[in-house]
Order: sequence, then C-alpha cells, then structure tokens
Amino acid sequence: SQQGEEDPQALSIQEGENATMNCSYKTSINNLQWYRQNSGRGLVHLILIRSNEREKHSGRLRVTLDTSKKSSSLLITASRAADTASYFCATGSYNQGGKLIFGQGTELSVKP
Amino acid sequence: SAVISQKPSRDICQRGTSLTIQCQVDSQVTMMFWYRQQPGQSLTLIATANQGSEATYESGFVIDKFPISRPNLTFSTLTVSNMSPEDSSIYLCSVGGQGAYYNEQFFGPGTRLTVL
Repeated sequence: SQQGEEDPQALSIQEGENATMNCSYKTSINNLQWYRQNSGRGLVHLILIRSNEREKHSGRLRVTLDTSKKSSSLLITASRAADTASYFCATGSYNQGGKLIFGQGTELSVKP
Repeated sequence: SAVISQKPSRDICQRGTSLTIQCQVDSQVTMMFWYRQQPGQSLTLIATANQGSEATYESGFVIDKFPISRPNLTFSTLTVSNMSPEDSSIYLCSVGGQGAYYNEQFFGPGTRLTVL
C-alpha cells in the first residue's frame, strides 16, 4: 500500500512562478526522496533529505522535512516549461531493507 | 550515481505470452528492485532482488507470475508470465545506493508493456 499522500494531485502554473508540492507519510522514516518523471519515462532522482535534516537545497529546488508532522514539501523556484513532469516523493527506512514507498505524485504543468 | 539500462524499452504482447525484461547496471550493486507503474498511477514495488539469494516479493506479487533472476551484481531479469491486459504497465528496475549514497535509489528508463 502507498505510504505517501501528495497534494496537489495536479498543479498548473505560468513560467517564472514558483511551484510547491507537498507529501505526507504515515510511519517513521530515515529519509525521504523526491523524483521527477517525464511523460511515463524513467525516474530522475532529485534530492534526498534525511530524517535529521530540516531543509535541503539543490539549484532551484528546496526541500523541507517536518518529521513531527510527517510531511515534506518540494519547492521549485522560477519554474520553466521544461519542469513540466510528474513529481513523486518516496520514503525509505533502514528496517525496510532499502526499498522505497512512493506517494501518489503531483502532475506539474508549466505554461510558457 | 549508477547508469542503468533496460531492454526492451517497450513491447506489445499478446495475451497468454511471457516477456522477459533485462536490467543492466554499469557498476556492481548489492540491491536491485523491480517496480510496476500502472497507467496514471504511482510506483509499486514488485520485489527485491539481491545477488545470491531468492527474490523477496511484496504482498500481491508471486514468483510464478513474476519470476526474477539475479545472476550477478550488475544484471537482473524480470519475467511477466501468462500476460493479460491488466499487466499493461511500465516496469522499472532500480538500484540501491552504496556507501555515502546509501538508500538513494536510481532508476532505469523503464519498459513500457502493452498487452492486447
């Protein structure tokens, strides 16, 4: 069963705007990862944040993690049409033997 | 990160037949995983394939339907047996990170399967 819930399910913005996607999960985790998927292709790893971290940056991406609320957010700043994709969060814990449990995903559309 | 390739990239198959999907990694990895992504859905783990041991299947997936091989540290196969249209999905392999990248997973490009 899926651990994560993501919202919104779909998001449509204009180029240059910021996009925020949220992920909630149910059980204890050691890390949370965000992935991008373009048009049903393979998943691209964006960023991993560990349970003892609160915020992480990578280029135009900012990820936050609130373990007390069991939630994470992914912020894409100054979005581009090329950011149009589905974004998934996935949780991992050491006692899961390395496997990931994925959220339902957010479909982002960035209009030029 | 590891470079992962999958073959075939896509296929259209007839009901009742079987398809074997190959996953090749450019470095030795301990942990490999197989996921299914049904149309418009998220990813669901099918099984974990570690070299030298039997694959571990998740609830709802059985070896007779999805036999997996893991002959060495760079290669794995997943077979979708006795296919039905409900098996139409994208199948993805992934590898677990090593060392400092522990628990990061990197995915192959996926195999898009359509069953008629």
